[in-house]
Amino acid sequence: GAGVSQTPSNKVTEKGKYVELRCDPISGHTALYWYRQSLGQGPEFLIYFQGTGAADDSGLPNDRFFAVRPEGSVSTLKIQRTERGDSAVYLCASSLRAAGGVSGELFFGEGSRLTVL
Amino acid sequence: GENVEQHPSTLSVQEGDSAVIKCTYSDSASNYFPWYKQELGKRPQLIIDIRSNVGEKKDQRIAVTLNKTAKHFSLHITETQPEDSAVYFCAASTHGGSARQLTFGSGTQLTVLP
Repeated sequence: GAGVSQTPSNKVTEKGKYVELRCDPISGHTALYWYRQSLGQGPEFLIYFQGTGAADDSGLPNDRFFAVRPEGSVSTLKIQRTERGDSAVYLCASSLRAAGGVSGELFFGEGSRLTVL
Repeated sequence: GENVEQHPSTLSVQEGDSAVIKCTYSDSASNYFPWYKQELGKRPQLIIDIRSNVGEKKDQRIAVTLNKTAKHFSLHITETQPEDSAVYFCAASTHGGSARQLTFGSGTQLTVLP
């Protein structure tokens, strides 16, 4: 597609359940980012992929959060044993190169709104 | 790590007036400063960016200024229109041998009153 695609757009789950959020970046973009945005806040960095590898996962809040990008394109953010505090919009972004570099503009998806009851 | 602070959190202006949003950053190695606009329920979209080798950049009604010494940068919107109403986020990034992530400010809700 023309832009970054994220599914599902909305996910409601119960505390303790496992959740997967998918991101399909713009074709050809090597860099992929996951951010989390709580109501009234700016996006908070979670993890950054360059190709297939996680180049920086320092933003993942704890070991319940994990992300993969096995073929260097689609990425999945996985959250185990969800807690109510995990409720937020999870944004995915991609860029042709990495942020800040030449052609480093981030293109965001519409986000996946996660609600943990 | 980088810390970005943004002010004000809310800003209301009359249509046609100017709006200014300010951000400070902590990491002197940061060298790329984009601004994103996010309309309600929509994705953030880049509106303008500036790199540390310039002090000012302008694109029609939007301009960004950067003061590296003071570690702050500002967004200026002139002749505001109702469609400028949105949340605006500043961000800062360090790019070295391996590029890094953007750190965002907490956002400014801009309301342009007709």
